[in-house]
Amino acid sequence: NAGVMQNPRHLVRRRGQEARLRCSPMKGHSHVYWYRQLPEEGLKFMVYLQKENIIDESGMPKERFSAEFPKEGPSILRIQQVVRGDSAAYFCASSPQAQQVTEQFFGPGTRLTVL
Amino acid sequence: QKEVEQNSGPLSVPEGAIASLNCTYSDRGSQSFFWYRQYSGKSPELIMSIYSNGDKEDGRFTAQLNKASQYVSLLIRDSQPSDSATYLCAVFSGNTGKLIFGQGTTLQVKP
Repeated sequence: NAGVMQNPRHLVRRRGQEARLRCSPMKGHSHVYWYRQLPEEGLKFMVYLQKENIIDESGMPKERFSAEFPKEGPSILRIQQVVRGDSAAYFCASSPQAQQVTEQFFGPGTRLTVL
Repeated sequence: QKEVEQNSGPLSVPEGAIASLNCTYSDRGSQSFFWYRQYSGKSPELIMSIYSNGDKEDGRFTAQLNKASQYVSLLIRDSQPSDSATYLCAVFSGNTGKLIFGQGTTLQVKP
């Protein structure tokens, strides 16, 4: 499967626990974007990363959320001390570059439920 | 004013008809525009990209862009029930690489 991969597909956490979401970009893609889709809302940008660099985290909540894209391995979105309002679908997208004419392709998403 | 606006719908069309989906955007400097299709419970799927004024056709889909009016649209010809989904308009934010999405328009194609 050459597409964007995300795991887990479904994640259930209790309030106060940590959630760790993983994303492997398409082969040949070095740019990763995380988006969040709250129930009945649109997709909202969270963070844009390249290998070992956070390029834009303007959409990321200031507290409890962090993201990384290490030299080896998948990109990880980490949510500490989850609250019910974090329940959402988290999508990762990737692109080969970040220029104007670059298309982003989405993974299947991780659906986080906070009890 | 929202950065990317779409009518949430639902837009209901009979099978075989043309579905017309519209989107306006606020950043006059935007250069790249995308249409994604999202089935309920699934991830967005890229169906069209357009960068220049005018029309771009791909099978039953035609994207139209008018930068002067800050307007982009998607036409779906010979609509099928399988086209029933939410269609998301996205605009590339050139400074940082992120996509700004509209709320999406729900399309219902009735047999």
